[in-house]
Formats: sequence, structure tokens, C-alpha cells
Amino acid sequence: SQKIEQNSEALNIQEGKTATLTCNYTNYSPAYLQWYRQDPGRGPVFLLLIRENEKEKRKERLKVTFDTTLKQSLFHITASQPADSATYLCALEAGNQFYFGTGTSLTVIP
Amino acid sequence: DADVTQTPRNRITKTGKRIMLECSQTKGHDRMYWYRQDPGLGLRLIYYSFDVKDINKGEISDGYSVSRQAQAKFSLSLESAIPNQTALYFCATSVGDRGFGETQYFGPGTRLLVL
Repeated sequence: SQKIEQNSEALNIQEGKTATLTCNYTNYSPAYLQWYRQDPGRGPVFLLLIRENEKEKRKERLKVTFDTTLKQSLFHITASQPADSATYLCALEAGNQFYFGTGTSLTVIP
Repeated sequence: DADVTQTPRNRITKTGKRIMLECSQTKGHDRMYWYRQDPGLGLRLIYYSFDVKDINKGEISDGYSVSRQAQAKFSLSLESAIPNQTALYFCATSVGDRGFGETQYFGPGTRLLVL
């Protein structure tokens, strides 16, 4: 089955710094990979999608990279703000099903 | 108004009881999903439906059943609840090209406690 690993430990960074979150996967070659944000007690919210033929995708302060050789995606938040504090999930589609990582909890300290 | 709604939002039940969680959407999407979320295990797919006549088991379907009553409604049932079904349950819809790029839209979740 699919295995998706994200930074297991919580990530604490200072406001204004760049946060980098890692997503590694095995056992499949997905056509695309997604990142979601989840706040406590709420459903995940879609942020970005990157396809296998795209090295990098940007949206405002967010940047995602996708290395199909390393089977890894990196998610960056530049100029981080306390409002960016949340859990971030990566997900991929395999065999008509979506598989999610366990998420990385990010706290941005003012 | 929310595009994907779930009822109830919180539920406490006893072992052996049958319960139903309901999901409605106004997004007009054909594809709908039920997930459960547990600490340390992340989101896991229970069932999914690509249209009213198409129901498929996900990664962890044992102990659950579903009904797709209409394009907009997808219900999850626990026939005989057990304590390890205590979890946060999410309904989701999706849109996009299968295999090329789908986006999922999640409901607010139902917190279920089985005593």
C-alpha cells in the first residue's frame, strides 16, 4: 500500500522566516501531489497541486517542489506569519484512491 | 453557506448501536468520499462514490457501509459501533480530471465517540 511520510515532529519557526515541510512517498509514481492545510477541529483545505512534469509551483507566499526521482515534495511558506500556524497535509492519488500523510504541525512564533 | 455539510457534528453512542452520519453538498460534484482521522494515523479512506450508481470500498471499509441517495447526499453507517471506531469523520467531494489533477473539498467533520 501507499506510504506517505511527513515531518513527524512539530515545526516551530520565528515570524518572517521560511518554513519548509517535507513529504516523502513510496510504492507508487503519482501523476500529481497535493498540499492541504488543516486547522484544529476543521476539515482540510486545498492549497496547491503540482503535477509530475512540474518542478515547482507557486501561489503567493507558498511554493511547492516535486522531485519524482527522490519521491519527495517540499512545501515552503516564505515570510511566515502567526496565521500560518496549522497542520499541513500532503496527499497523492493512486488507483482511484487518495492517500494522505499524517501531517506536520507548524507553529509560527511572533 | 458551507458547500459540504455534515450532520451531526458531534455524536456519543454506545457499543453495538447503529448510527448514521450524513453528508450533503451543494457543489454539484459527482465524486464523494468518507474518511476517518485518528491521531498519528492521518486521514484514511473508508468508501468513495463516483456517481449515484458507483460505490467503492476504500482502505478501511470493514465495519462500515454507505448509501448514495442522490448526487448531493452520501451517508456513512456504522452497523454495530465499537470503541475503536471513535474518530473524527470527514466527508469530501472532488472535481477535476481523474489521474491528472483532482481537488478535494472537505466538510467540517463529525466527532464520534463510541463508549
